[in-house]
Amino acid sequence: DQQVKQNSPSLSVQEGRISILNCDYTNSMFDYFLWYKKYPAEGPTFLISISSIKDKNEDGRFTVFLNKSAKHLSLHIVPSQPGDSAVYFCAASDSSGTYKYIFGTGTRLKVLA
Amino acid sequence: DTGVSQDPRHKITKRGQNVTFRCDPISEHNRLYWYRQTLGQGPEFLTYFQNEAQLEKSRLLSDRFSAERPKGSFSTLEIQRTEQGDSAMYLCASSTGQGWEKLFFGSGTQLSVL
Repeated sequence: DQQVKQNSPSLSVQEGRISILNCDYTNSMFDYFLWYKKYPAEGPTFLISISSIKDKNEDGRFTVFLNKSAKHLSLHIVPSQPGDSAVYFCAASDSSGTYKYIFGTGTRLKVLA
Repeated sequence: DTGVSQDPRHKITKRGQNVTFRCDPISEHNRLYWYRQTLGQGPEFLTYFQNEAQLEKSRLLSDRFSAERPKGSFSTLEIQRTEQGDSAMYLCASSTGQGWEKLFFGSGTQLSVL
């Protein structure tokens, strides 16, 4: 049972354009979400987070949007840069107090120069 | 902040052998997590510790797997009688332990079981 889904395994975007990565979840108890970027042979690196009390959070070129009713979040990267080429994971945690995070399967972003 | 350190980076072993991985979290981080990642998948939760207490274990963690964090600092993950299906990247992460927060990941240990 995949509670966190990233239905697009890959995405290609031209440099300078917007990249939109999507994530859907099934557990309505999830209320804290993280986005990570991963390069080959490295551990995931934190990008940005959002809690369910917000519907948007920005950090520089990265913005995360949360639609609780649709159980959907998205990560926008603008402008996209070739160095953004990596695999992106969303992760979710619920308020049951276990503090574990469930990760999606990832989306491979390729930014074309 | 020296980051999360994992050792070894790579491990090749024969089926049936035991292996042990070590994770050193960021200093004074109270929570420590183990995840496993296979090709094309996201990190799968295995277990986590709050200080020395192991608070949750995934059903993925069969009785061949054991994790310890004896003094609430570094942690070890042991796999006994390895199987080819255990081949994966084993990731360790830590956090301060203050509510819901980001995890800091190490570079992982890549296990190959022949």
